[in-house]
Amino acid sequence: GDSVTQMEGPVTLSEEAFLTINCTYTATGYPSLFWYVQYPGEGLQLLLKATKADDKGSNKGFEATYRKETTSFHLEKGSVQVSDSAVYFCALGGNTGKLIFGQGTTLQVKP
Amino acid sequence: EAGVTQSPTHLIKTRGQQVTLRCSPISGHTSVYWYQQALGLGLQFLLWYDEGEERNRGNFPPRFSGRQFPNYSSELNVNALELEDSALYLCASSLEDRGQGTDTQYFGPGTRLTVL
Repeated sequence: GDSVTQMEGPVTLSEEAFLTINCTYTATGYPSLFWYVQYPGEGLQLLLKATKADDKGSNKGFEATYRKETTSFHLEKGSVQVSDSAVYFCALGGNTGKLIFGQGTTLQVKP
Repeated sequence: EAGVTQSPTHLIKTRGQQVTLRCSPISGHTSVYWYQQALGLGLQFLLWYDEGEERNRGNFPPRFSGRQFPNYSSELNVNALELEDSALYLCASSLEDRGQGTDTQYFGPGTRLTVL
């Protein structure tokens, strides 16, 4: 069945460092891909999305490109801030209404 | 515009009790989804409702049930609570295009359920 695999965390970076969180997927058909962020004690916030191959989603300095050939949707940010500390979830969505999530990657940014 | 709202924020129950969680979608959204986020198990899909009908169900026992009202709000009911039902229950909503299930889901803050 469909699945999402994210890199293991936690990821610890210094402020202004470059961030990459890897996400790969297995799916039949043509899913949409999402990144959600969860701050402590809160629900999920949509960070960005891409609905077809080669689409690039971007928001708040974060970017991810839907790569069908490598079945990947890696999250990147050029310069992280302390306020970016959170748990990041990669997710896959199709026509079943169900989002399939990766296990989440905890990011800690130190000043 | 108000986001997805959920109530209550926190809930403590004992084993064997029943609980009802509530969700109001973003205005104009017709689909509601429920997910369970349990420690160590990640985010698991529970239910999808659209236009008052159950469209899909995750791999959960029948004691997890729900419904969607004509105003598109939704309830999640859990009967015969077990310790492992302790989790954050997240509701999401989306605009639904012909029931395709492909639209972006926007999440509420969740209800934290603790079963003792």
